[in-house]
Amino acid sequence: SQQGEEDPQALSIQEGENATMNCSYKTSINNLQWYRQNSGRGLVHLILIRSNEREKHSGRLRVTLDTSKKSSSLLITASRAADTASYFCATSKETSGSRLTFGEGTQLTVNP
Amino acid sequence: NAGVMQNPRHLVRRRGQEARLRCSPMKGHSHVYWYRQLPEEGLKFMVYLQKENIIDESGMPKERFSAEFPKEGPSILRIQQVVRGDSAAYFCASSPRTSGQGIYGYTFGSGTRLTVV
Repeated sequence: SQQGEEDPQALSIQEGENATMNCSYKTSINNLQWYRQNSGRGLVHLILIRSNEREKHSGRLRVTLDTSKKSSSLLITASRAADTASYFCATSKETSGSRLTFGEGTQLTVNP
Repeated sequence: NAGVMQNPRHLVRRRGQEARLRCSPMKGHSHVYWYRQLPEEGLKFMVYLQKENIIDESGMPKERFSAEFPKEGPSILRIQQVVRGDSAAYFCASSPRTSGQGIYGYTFGSGTRLTVV
């Protein structure tokens, strides 16, 4: 399996519900980032959490990082139809400079 | 302040032709990265460049693919003698600088969708 695996692969919820996506990785990292990609578009950076941080918030987003379990979660609260997109985690290793390793993504569908 | 600009948005090439993909980083960004995305998959790193230097090309196929980031002008990803398997979305990202450990999030362009027929 690959560095940066998201779970679940697909998630369908109703507007107003919370969405939780998980990401696991294998090697040591410097930071972990979450990106959103709308269908047929480029990636939008959402949030970056460093390896010495455990939790970070940005608006309706909450990211946690557990380096002992090599896992991260992205929580989107009070979801909206506009949150429908693919969400990717990406890791930056300590020794690879700026190279990012992406997971396969979670496809989130928020139904109105 | 324009974002990362990629062109063309869509590119169709016949097998055996050359494809040239351009990327202009955000103003003030001196680091450029190219990624490839196959349908229903995540992005795969290809190459990392600074002005006039290739820093990391470990993700580039050994043949037919090359990249440059000249002192003046955009970064170019060049694919010679394209094959059907090269069909994918190619994304460019830029960042202002790095401590060597990627403390900044990247700004991605909208991508170039290459179709080889």
